[in-house]
Amino acid sequence: GNSVTQMEGPVTLSEEAFLTINCTYTATGYPSLFWYVQYPGEGLQLLLKATKADDKGSNKGFEATYRKETTSFHLEKGSVQVSDSAVYFCALKSGGGSNYKLTFGKGTLLTVNP
Amino acid sequence: DAGVIQSPRHEVTEMGQEVTLRCKPISGHNSLFWYRQTMMRGLELLIYFNNNVPIDDSGMPEDRFSAKMPNASFSTLKIQPSEPRDSAVYFCASSDYMGNEQFFGPGTRLTVL
Repeated sequence: GNSVTQMEGPVTLSEEAFLTINCTYTATGYPSLFWYVQYPGEGLQLLLKATKADDKGSNKGFEATYRKETTSFHLEKGSVQVSDSAVYFCALKSGGGSNYKLTFGKGTLLTVNP
Repeated sequence: DAGVIQSPRHEVTEMGQEVTLRCKPISGHNSLFWYRQTMMRGLELLIYFNNNVPIDDSGMPEDRFSAKMPNASFSTLKIQPSEPRDSAVYFCASSDYMGNEQFFGPGTRLTVL
């Protein structure tokens, strides 16, 4: 079955440090890939996505590239801010159109200190 | 748009009681998902609906859990009887026919004593 493995946390960084959160997946075919972010006390919200190999998703300074050869979708940001402190989830989509579901990784807690 | 609405936001109940969680998806969305989040197990998909029809309920932990979607604007997740191990945050999410993004509600924090 489909699965997503992401880097165990927690990750603690200083402001302006470089961030990488690793994510690899197992799936049949070429699923769409997503990063969701969960701020304290809130639901998840979409951060970025990529729908095919070599696509790069980007948003709010975060980037991730869909690497088919390594089945990976690592999240990166060049300079983190305190406001980026949150839990980050990697996910893949199986199914099509409106009849689909997402498989999530376990989440990685990021804390950014001033 | 108000986004996905869940109620109650917090629920504290005693073991054995019935619990009903409610969700109103974003208007026009035709897919609805119920998730459970705990520290130990992370985020788990319990069940999802497409056009009000349950498609996959393989994540529902046991017969004590049931979910309904009587119309496009309302869904419930019921636990009867509740147990302490059901304590978790329950999220509802919805998406449109393209399925490009799931929109999550704020969650219901359930505590079963």
